[in-house]
Amino acid sequence: DTGVSQDPRHKITKRGQNVTFRCDPISEHNRLYWYRQTLGQGPEFLTYFQNEAQLEKSRLLSDRFSAERPKGSFSTLEIQRTEQGDSAMYLCASSHSGGSRLNEQFFGPGTRLTVL
Amino acid sequence: AQSVTQPDIHITVSEGASLELRCNYSYGATPYLFWYVQSPGQGLQLLLKYFSGDTLVQGIKGFEAEFKRSQSSFNLRKPSVHWSDAAEYFCAVGSPNTNAGKSTFGDGTTLTVKP
Repeated sequence: DTGVSQDPRHKITKRGQNVTFRCDPISEHNRLYWYRQTLGQGPEFLTYFQNEAQLEKSRLLSDRFSAERPKGSFSTLEIQRTEQGDSAMYLCASSHSGGSRLNEQFFGPGTRLTVL
Repeated sequence: AQSVTQPDIHITVSEGASLELRCNYSYGATPYLFWYVQSPGQGLQLLLKYFSGDTLVQGIKGFEAEFKRSQSSFNLRKPSVHWSDAAEYFCAVGSPNTNAGKSTFGDGTTLTVKP
């Protein structure tokens, strides 16, 4: 079990640039979640996938944000025209899709985004 | 809508002392409940979870938590704290009545351990 991995771990960008993050879930997990965590706060739900289908998006996910999971394995989160308010830790988690195991999420180390 | 409150932003305890971190939740039924620990710059590690059954649950690293329905609480405890326990702790609630599986987190409690 290699766990959830995320790449890059850190990203510094200038305001207005586009950035893309990648998440590789635990291989047997078909659920994948994205959360955002700002300093001093807990993670906030952004979106989740079951296999390749994106089933829910939070209102936090503005139209500058897009997430994909094209083959039901890894996922990407893209932020277009970044703003300083996008600076945060972006966390990915994965889980099984059945019963109580649905709620037992395993988190990756996160991608720390800094927008200058 | 579900929500989680962690009343203590920061707690300091001496090494070897006991620890209790408070968590209160708001949910219409019995939720799934979780405690996670996060070290600086790292992701979240699951300490323990409550889904149903025995209201006292044991987790990793010597932690336990007790679900009290009457108080809508799920407090985390450890009888003797080690310096390596210094970290941020998050309580979270999940919804067994939906198929979403997403969790709602509290804002965390930062634990400092004095030598």
